[in-house]
Amino acid sequence: DQQVKQNSPSLSVQEGRISILNCDYTNSMFDYFLWYKKYPAEGPTFLISISSIKDKNEDGRFTVFLNKSAKHLSLHIVPSQPGDSAVYFCAATARNGQNFVFGPGTRLSVLP
Amino acid sequence: DAGVIQSPRHEVTEMGQEVTLRCKPISGHDYLFWYRQTMMRGLELLIYFNNNVPIDDSGMPEDRFSAKMPNASFSTLKIQPSEPRDSAVYFCASSLSGELFFGEGSRLTVL
Repeated sequence: DQQVKQNSPSLSVQEGRISILNCDYTNSMFDYFLWYKKYPAEGPTFLISISSIKDKNEDGRFTVFLNKSAKHLSLHIVPSQPGDSAVYFCAATARNGQNFVFGPGTRLSVLP
Repeated sequence: DAGVIQSPRHEVTEMGQEVTLRCKPISGHDYLFWYRQTMMRGLELLIYFNNNVPIDDSGMPEDRFSAKMPNASFSTLKIQPSEPRDSAVYFCASSLSGELFFGEGSRLTVL
């Protein structure tokens, strides 16, 4: 049973528009959430995170929103650029532990 | 600053052979993780260590898989005997607190 779900395996967006990647979780003990970006033949790299005490965290073009009651978070990329084309993984953990649980990933394609 | 270093980057082997994947975590990091990436399941946690001690190995698929961390700067993931369904990219990651830093992965193909 997947504790972290990313129900869209892929997403295509036009350059300059907004990309919205979604993630749902089932474990109410999770209180820290991260997004990782992965290019082909490379390891995932950290993008942005959010603690459960917040509902929004912004870093440049990237914003993560957290809805605890719905156990849902989303990553917004505005404006999207071709270099953003990658696989995005959502991850969750409980801060008193180090067991990071990853979703299956969403492949984002930003079309020029 | 060296990141997490994994070797080999690519391994092609025949079914039944032993495979050993290696990882050097970032110096000073006290957590080390082994993940496997497949098309079907994404990134699966296999095992993680804290201060060289295995904490959770519930993700290790079978007894054919074993992992060791003899010291703070080295870990191995061994598959013996290997099977075609073990073909995947295996990632090692380390952390100090909060953020995971991944290696570039070891792509394993078992024929």
